[in-house]
Amino acid sequence: AQKITQTQPGMFVQEKEAVTLDCTYDTSDPSYGLFWYKQPSSGEMIFLIYQGSYDQQNATEGRYSLNFQKARKSANLVISASQLGDSAMYFCAMREKGAQKLVFGQGTRLTINP
Amino acid sequence: SAVISQKPSRDICQRGTSLTIQCQVDSQVTMMFWYRQQPGQSLTLIATANQGSEATYESGFVIDKFPISRPNLTFSTLTVSNMSPEDSSIYLCSVVHFLGTEGNIQYFGAGTRLSVL
Repeated sequence: AQKITQTQPGMFVQEKEAVTLDCTYDTSDPSYGLFWYKQPSSGEMIFLIYQGSYDQQNATEGRYSLNFQKARKSANLVISASQLGDSAMYFCAMREKGAQKLVFGQGTRLTINP
Repeated sequence: SAVISQKPSRDICQRGTSLTIQCQVDSQVTMMFWYRQQPGQSLTLIATANQGSEATYESGFVIDKFPISRPNLTFSTLTVSNMSPEDSSIYLCSVVHFLGTEGNIQYFGAGTRLSVL
């Protein structure tokens, strides 16, 4: 069963606009972590933001914020004031308690238009 | 965060040959992981490499095809053996950075882009 679902294969956004990338997850474990990574065309995986399941507040890192809705099992990434350099693949991932490995979604390709 | 150096960054290989990918970390880490990303796909874990013990492989991956070494706490290698075009992928190593009670973060190397002809 798919544990991480990213329903947007591709998104096109105008520069300077905010963008929300969707991620829903499935777990019965009460303790888990949620991650977002950016993968430019070079192939490297760049860590963006982390949200623990017990965190009371949404995580924020600069222009990135994670809209964590636990009851809905969603962990959407919000990028404010998008820039051309934000064009990349974005992956949502989850780590369940007791396991260190990450399970990744299929990714969303974000294109920022000038 | 950890600084992870991965070599080579890319290679083009002939079928039937083997390639060894190196992963060097600038600090001692307990757990290292090797992932594969096939073209247009997401990342899939190949194995977990802990120092002093044999690697633990995920379903669908075997040691004969993907032997892994972990000689110390800062270094690991992944070998892709007897390559076929289906092995053309990006291979990435990652390490766990513990945040204490806040959980942990996995950081990745820049990846090795492998093409098999």
